[in-house]
Parts: sequence; structure tokens; C-alpha cells
Amino acid sequence: KAGVTQTPRYLIKTRGQQVTLSCSPISGHRSVSWYQQTPGQGLQFLFEYFSETQRNKGNFPGRFSGRQFSNSRSEMNVSTLELGDSALYLCASSLGTSSTGELFFGEGSRLTVL
Amino acid sequence: AQSVSQHNHHVILSEAASLELGCNYSYGGTVNLFWYVQYPGQHLQLLLKYFSGDPLVKGIKGFEAEFIKSKFSFNLRKPSVQWSDTAEYFCAVNAVSSGSARQLTFGSGTQLTVLP
Repeated sequence: KAGVTQTPRYLIKTRGQQVTLSCSPISGHRSVSWYQQTPGQGLQFLFEYFSETQRNKGNFPGRFSGRQFSNSRSEMNVSTLELGDSALYLCASSLGTSSTGELFFGEGSRLTVL
Repeated sequence: AQSVSQHNHHVILSEAASLELGCNYSYGGTVNLFWYVQYPGQHLQLLLKYFSGDPLVKGIKGFEAEFIKSKFSFNLRKPSVQWSDTAEYFCAVNAVSSGSARQLTFGSGTQLTVLP
């Protein structure tokens, strides 16, 4: 069974640009959560989608947005990139909502903002 | 809002030493508790979880954790570590309110280095 797939794995952008990251969950999983991982900060919750609806949202500015499609695939977008947005962005899927069971993580998309 | 604290940022042990990693959370109600592990070059994976019942839970690879409600703690333990346990360990919590649980909140992680 294929795991969570995130694309692209690595990308470099400059300040002011925007970026879209993609996540394909494990087949049958309906929940997708996004986290930002930085050294010393751990994982900061961005948002969670379940059946195409945003279920929860973390404390990130409106430049961070996401969506989920009918096939459960999800995208997150960051507009007007800042240097501080450099991080590993992790996607995780679960069968039900994230609160009820195990999260399965992808390998992440490493974003570098210059 | 719920929060999770992992006070040990980096722990260095020799093989066969005992391990205890601290995790404290701030939420007065019902919680679900998790430990995740990230081995070098690999993705995060679940080590163990606690929802209810016996507060001492056992996970994979000989790890266990004890939920102490009065101390708001969920410490991870292993009696004898191996070099292959070198990894970053994350404690995670979600609060259950009105029958519905919120998103999973992670601690900042503890890097464990086991010396051969």
C-alpha cells in the first residue's frame, strides 16, 4: 500500500513569490493535515481537511492556505513568501480525523526561501 | 489552548542505558496522547498512543509510556536503549472537548543520540 506522497520534495523560491505544495494521502484516508517543521520549533499545525472541508486551522497568517479535493488529495499554498517560511512542510493522512487515530506522514517538502 | 512541552532538547546515552523522555501538556480536560519518532532520513511514525484505560502503554521496539493525569505528563521510557534508537522523538496531544477532539499538537521534539 503506497504511503503519503508529497511533491515537490525540494524547492527554492525567493521572497515575494508564492508556492503550492501537493499531498496525496494513503488510499482510503479522508483526512489530511499539514504541519510546518523547523529546528527547535517542532511541528506547528497549519490546517486539517476532512472530506474537502477545513476542520481545524492553526495560528498562521492568511498567506497560508489549503484545500482538499474530492479524491482526498490536498494542496497548500503560501503567498508572498518570507525568509521565515523556510521549513520542512509535512503532510499527514489518517483514516478518520486526525484526533481519532494514527497519522501517517509523508517525507515532506523542503522549502528554502532566499 | 492546548500546548505540549518537551524539556529535554538533546539527550545523549550509551547503549544499554535506560531512557526517560519527559512530556508535559497543558489542558485540564480529557486528552489523547501520542509519541512519534523520526529516524534519520525517514518520515515520522507512531511509536505508541494512549486514549483510555491502563495508563501504562506499550509501543513498538520496547518503548512504553506512562500517563500521569495529576502531573499532566506522558513520559516515554525504555529500559535499555540501542544505537538504532537514535532519532528525534515527539510527544503529541489532542484535547477532547464536548465529545470532539481537536487537532494534534506536537512538542518541539527531543533528539536522542545513542553512543555505541
